[in-house]
Order: sequence, then structure tokens, then C-alpha cells
Amino acid sequence: DQQVKQNSPSLSVQEGRISILNCDYTNSMFDYFLWYKKYPAEGPTFLISISSIKDKNEDGRFTVFLNKSAKHLSLHIVPSQPGDSAVYFCAASRGNNDMRFGAGTRLTVKP
Amino acid sequence: ETGVTQSPTHLIKTRGQQVTLRCSSQSGHNTVSWYQQALGQGPQFIFQYYREEENGRGNFPPRFSGLQFPNYSSELNVNALELDDSALYLCASSFPLPTGLSGYTFGSGTRLTVV
Repeated sequence: DQQVKQNSPSLSVQEGRISILNCDYTNSMFDYFLWYKKYPAEGPTFLISISSIKDKNEDGRFTVFLNKSAKHLSLHIVPSQPGDSAVYFCAASRGNNDMRFGAGTRLTVKP
Repeated sequence: ETGVTQSPTHLIKTRGQQVTLRCSSQSGHNTVSWYQQALGQGPQFIFQYYREEENGRGNFPPRFSGLQFPNYSSELNVNALELDDSALYLCASSFPLPTGLSGYTFGSGTRLTVV
């Protein structure tokens, strides 16, 4: 059962522009939503998270927006940099185990 | 502060064999989760261990089993390997509460190929 979905397998943006990565989920019981970044030959690295009681969380160039009524979250990267090129995974957790991941979106930031 | 270490990095096994993958958690973390990431997919939850006991399990058959040791390191064992078990196996460690705020610390994974 695919409870977390990332429908865009890839995204390409120009350096300096905004990158918007999207994620949809089906389980309304999720407590937290997270974004991870993965470079080749490395494990995913935690980027930013948001609690289900909030609708926005910002950390530097990264902002996550949560729309609970639409069961949708997005990650905004502004401005995008070539070093941001990686695979981004959306994840959601209920309680302290069983974190569910989306299939990932490959972001390419062109110089 | 050391991160999460997994061994081996790569492994090739024959169908029907058994395999053991190892993980050392990040210092101070007492919870370890294992994930399977097939090509082109996101990580799929296998199970989690907290204080040496299984603390949740995903939709994987019993031939996937695990252990956690007193030093919080962990093993993933897979019996009767099948071709579809070929994947990247990721270990992640965390504090037990609240993982949703700080996320997991992942290792670089073990690439298992079953032939």
C-alpha cells in the first residue's frame, strides 16, 4: 500500500530559481512529515520536518508546506543551487516507528 | 560523533542462501530501523528495534528477522534468499521520541545482489 506518493520522478530547474517538490499521502493519522535528501552511494540525509499541527516550517533556503485537507505537502528550495541536485524523498510517520517513504524525485539544478 | 555504519557495503549471494547484514548505530541512539530500497523505489520499512526488542514490523515475510544488541548495534538476517531480495538495505538509528522532529540517521546501505 503506497501511503506516500511522489508523482514526479524528476524535476529540472535553473540555478537561482525556485524548486518545488510535491508529495501526497493517504493516511490522515500521520503525525510528522519529513523530507530527506540522497546523494549517490550515500544514505538519505534528514533535511526538514513538519508536525501535523503546523502548516509551514522554514529552515534557511528550505520551506515545507503542509495542506492537511488536501493531504499534500511540498518542499520549496529558494534559491536553488547546483549542490541541491539529488534525490529527494518525502516521508511520513505515525508514532515512533514505521516511517513511510515516497518513491523519490530526482532534482537537477542546472548552472 | 560517529554516524551509522553498515557492513558489508556490497554482497552477492545465490538464491536460497542466507545473509546477515550489520549496522552500528549513531552514538547515543537506541532505536534502529531497517529498510529495503529496491531500484527506482523509496525505502520500505522492514522492522524497528528498540532496547533489543522488535518495536514494529512492515509487510515482510518471517524469513526477514533481526536482532539488536546491548550496545544498540543490529543485524538483519534474511533466509532462503529470492531474486527479488536484491536491493539496497538501509539501517537508520534514532532517539525513540520524537523521531518525527529530528528524523533518522541513515547509513550508506548494503547493496545485496541475489543471483
